[in-house]
Amino acid sequence: DADVTQTPRNRITKTGKRIMLECSQTKGHDRMYWYRQDPGLGLRLIYYSFDVKDINKGEISDGYSVSRQAQAKFSLSLESAIPNQTALYFCATSDFTESQETQYFGPGTRLLVL
Amino acid sequence: AQSVAQPEDQVNVAEGNPLTVKCTYSVSGNPYLFWYVQYPNRGLQFLLKYITGDNLVKGSYGFEAEFNKSQTSFHLKKPSALVSDSALYFCAVRDIGDYKLSFGAGTTVTVRA
Repeated sequence: DADVTQTPRNRITKTGKRIMLECSQTKGHDRMYWYRQDPGLGLRLIYYSFDVKDINKGEISDGYSVSRQAQAKFSLSLESAIPNQTALYFCATSDFTESQETQYFGPGTRLLVL
Repeated sequence: AQSVAQPEDQVNVAEGNPLTVKCTYSVSGNPYLFWYVQYPNRGLQFLLKYITGDNLVKGSYGFEAEFNKSQTSFHLKKPSALVSDSALYFCAVRDIGDYKLSFGAGTTVTVRA
């Protein structure tokens, strides 16, 4: 969905390095999410934010941190990358005024930690 | 607690044949149910959703899904598959009143010409 963009699209880094993945959205949604996708495991929630001042841990937040710089921007950081953080990372947004809150996803960032 | 099961890792069909991708769910209350599709090197695209009302939901690209409360299922269907339907399909569930969306492990669909 072009309304949700992620940068970079691909990243190779080394163990111990700090990296940041960025997400921007033009949908005007208050809620934003970070997921990681691993083969055979589906998507797992890392962090979510209901607004700029409301940030919460998801099911697998260890080793990650986030920053909600504005309504439209939500960044995910790996403070010290490790190989098992190699995965496909997705950002998503949703509109809390929509009762069923469909989530809309960005194109993903493929991360390889060596 | 809520969860989703997609019992088939892979589904293979011939072009023109019906396509079914299975999904069962577990929630404590009433569910919102979703199907997403992921094409190679692309993000997840929303296909369709069940909220309330008609048990048969129609979505994008000719897909539909049938909600069955007694069997706690939400199978995705397409009457006549295309080679371009080859992709990874995810079922997801959210309990009404909860923020969290739980995904199945995904089913890879291959449609052969």
